[in-house]
Amino acid sequence: DTAVSQTPKYLVTQMGNDKSIKCEQNLGHDTMYWYKQDSKKFLKIMFSYNNKELIINETVPNRFSPKSPDKAHLNLHINSLELGDSAVYFCASSQTPGKLFFGSGTQLSVL
Amino acid sequence: AQSVTQLDSQVPVFEEAPVELRCNYSSSVSVYLFWYVQYPNQGLQLLLKYLSGSTLVKGINGFEAEFNKSQTSFHLRKPSVHISDTAEYFCAVSLYSGAGSYQLTFGKGTKLSVIP
Repeated sequence: DTAVSQTPKYLVTQMGNDKSIKCEQNLGHDTMYWYKQDSKKFLKIMFSYNNKELIINETVPNRFSPKSPDKAHLNLHINSLELGDSAVYFCASSQTPGKLFFGSGTQLSVL
Repeated sequence: AQSVTQLDSQVPVFEEAPVELRCNYSSSVSVYLFWYVQYPNQGLQLLLKYLSGSTLVKGINGFEAEFNKSQTSFHLRKPSVHISDTAEYFCAVSLYSGAGSYQLTFGKGTKLSVIP
């Protein structure tokens, strides 16, 4: 079983659309994260959730909203997509300091 | 604020040669230090970590790193690289951010290319 799974793997969409990326972890971890990796491979944390509570919210546009229906899921909703949103988005989970388990990524392309 | 600097964006090295990937950090408090590896079209996976204790830490795939507090460095080394080590390597620092969570800040990555 995949520890951290995210869907879809590829997402191609038009500017202005609304889209969601789903993430699930079966590790029983308390904390989940969303990271954005740009074309230069730079990783930036977007959100983290600990026991369904948002505890880190970096300066990302409010078009991005995380939603956690339960401890095992953290979905990412994006409204009014822009060209600059094109990137690879990674979901991750952790239980111990800094030891993150990453999903395989969702490559978002906004046309 | 904490930050991580990876001094080399690309490191080409011949197969079976040794390699060192450099990482320096800055933080006003004690931190945890990590190296992650990202193979093409995959997510990141943990190579090794330093939390406390011995300053020389060993990780998977024959990698090791040494924590040097006076130089604020955490360089990654491998005595003999293999073609399969070709990947992007990320140094990271972790700081407690409250409510049981740790914020992980990554460096910009070093692309290791192993030449046959």
